[in-house]
Amino acid sequence: AQSVAQPEDQVNVAEGNPLTVKCTYSVSGNPYLFWYVQYPNRGLQFLLKYITGDNLVKGSYGFEAEFNKSQTSFHLKKPSALVSDSALYFCAVRDGGGGADGLTFGKGTHLIIQP
Amino acid sequence: DAGITQSPRHKVTETGTPVTLRCHQTENHRYMYWYRQDPGHGLRLIHYSYGVKDTDKGEVSDGYSVSRSKTEDFLLTLESATSSQTSVYFCAIRETGGNGYTFGSGTRLTVV
Repeated sequence: AQSVAQPEDQVNVAEGNPLTVKCTYSVSGNPYLFWYVQYPNRGLQFLLKYITGDNLVKGSYGFEAEFNKSQTSFHLKKPSALVSDSALYFCAVRDGGGGADGLTFGKGTHLIIQP
Repeated sequence: DAGITQSPRHKVTETGTPVTLRCHQTENHRYMYWYRQDPGHGLRLIHYSYGVKDTDKGEVSDGYSVSRSKTEDFLLTLESATSSQTSVYFCAIRETGGNGYTFGSGTRLTVV
C-alpha cells in the first residue's frame, strides 16, 4: 500500500520569506511524486512532478521540490513567498511500477502568506 | 483542463435517493478516476477505470458504483445517498503517454 504524510495542517509565512511545505511518502516500488495546489472553490492545479532524473524539480509559479530517497521526502519550496501563494497544497504519490493505480494524496497543508 | 467536464457542478439531494455524477473527457484517455474530497482527509480514490467496461475499486468504494460504456464517459452512482456522502467529487484522467493527472472542476454534492 502507498501513503503520503503532510505533517503540518497549516504553514504561516511572511511575504518575501522562503517557504517549505513538507511531504513524506511510502511506496513499495519507485515513487512517482506530485504536488497540486487548490484555491478556494476550485479544482486541483498541477504544480510539479518527480518521475525520474534530477532530484530537484522545478514547477509552476516559481515552486520547486526536492526528492530525497533516503528520507522518503518530497518537500515543496519557494525562495520568496507571495500573498497569492496562499492556498491548500496536496502532495501525492503513485507506485511507478505500472498498472492503472491512481494517486494517493496527503491530507493537505494550508499555506497562509501574511503581508 | 484537458477537456474534462463534470456535471452537475452542484447538487442537493435527499437521503435514500439515487444520484449519478458524470465525467466527460474529449481526448480519448484510457485511465479515469473518481475521488472525493473531505476536510482533513485530502482526496480519496473511490473507483477507477482502465478502459471501456473495465473498472476497479479504490479506497472508499462502499456505497458507490461506476460505469464506463464508452471511452469518453465515466459515471459515478450513489445507489442510495447518505449524509456521509456529502462531499466534493473530482474526476481525473491520466494523461496518455505520460504520467500526469488532470482533474475536473468538481461536483459539490449535498445529501440532506
